[in-house]
Amino acid sequence: QSALTQPRSVSGSPGQSVTISCTGTSSDVGGYNYVSWYQQHPGKAPKLMIYDVSKRPSGVPDRFSGSKSGNTASLTISGLQAEDEADYYCCSYAGSYTFWVFGGGTKLTVL
Amino acid sequence: EVQLVESGGGLIQPGGSLRLSCAASGFTVSSNYMSWVRQAPGKGLEWVSVIYSGGSTYYADSVKGRFTISRDNSKNTLYLQMNSLRAEDTAVYYCARAAVSRAFDPWGQGTLVTVSS
Repeated sequence: QSALTQPRSVSGSPGQSVTISCTGTSSDVGGYNYVSWYQQHPGKAPKLMIYDVSKRPSGVPDRFSGSKSGNTASLTISGLQAEDEADYYCCSYAGSYTFWVFGGGTKLTVL
Repeated sequence: EVQLVESGGGLIQPGGSLRLSCAASGFTVSSNYMSWVRQAPGKGLEWVSVIYSGGSTYYADSVKGRFTISRDNSKNTLYLQMNSLRAEDTAVYYCARAAVSRAFDPWGQGTLVTVSS
């Protein structure tokens, strides 16, 4: 059982928006602004999409955005494209005992 | 170009040992926080270990006492020594730089470790 809770799957049509939630506790998501999101295509390594809750690394389209409210973080993908179909994982720093915790992953299907 | 390349995975019997390597290019391993993250077949990501730039090391409870993270500054390479391996350690092991923001970037391509008799 993963430390952070994500929906197992979400779906949307091209051009639509989807939001993936990531629920933790006050010891991880709620306690630090160190939430990150990763995209993973089958057989590939994860790729950083969002860090520090809402910041985008260079090269990541601005269709990807992140936010946080209390113990729940969210990743929103707007203007869905076929290449967005992948697994998405949230991650939170959880302090100097647990360090990092991941969500169980969400499979995004572009219909 | 910033890049990480893992090696050393393979098939190993339960109770055996294996050492994974992660060669870095484009940045200095010793100046960064470096981590190992694993992914069991069909499962999610699990943080395994980190070595800070100052040399401090930390581990997930699931591997504490069995795995050792280290680095060779002259080779700009990160290692993970895995002892007393169990079936549940079967996974793709990724090395990744843990930035100041506590986010993992970049990631290596991963190396598969299979623990089975």
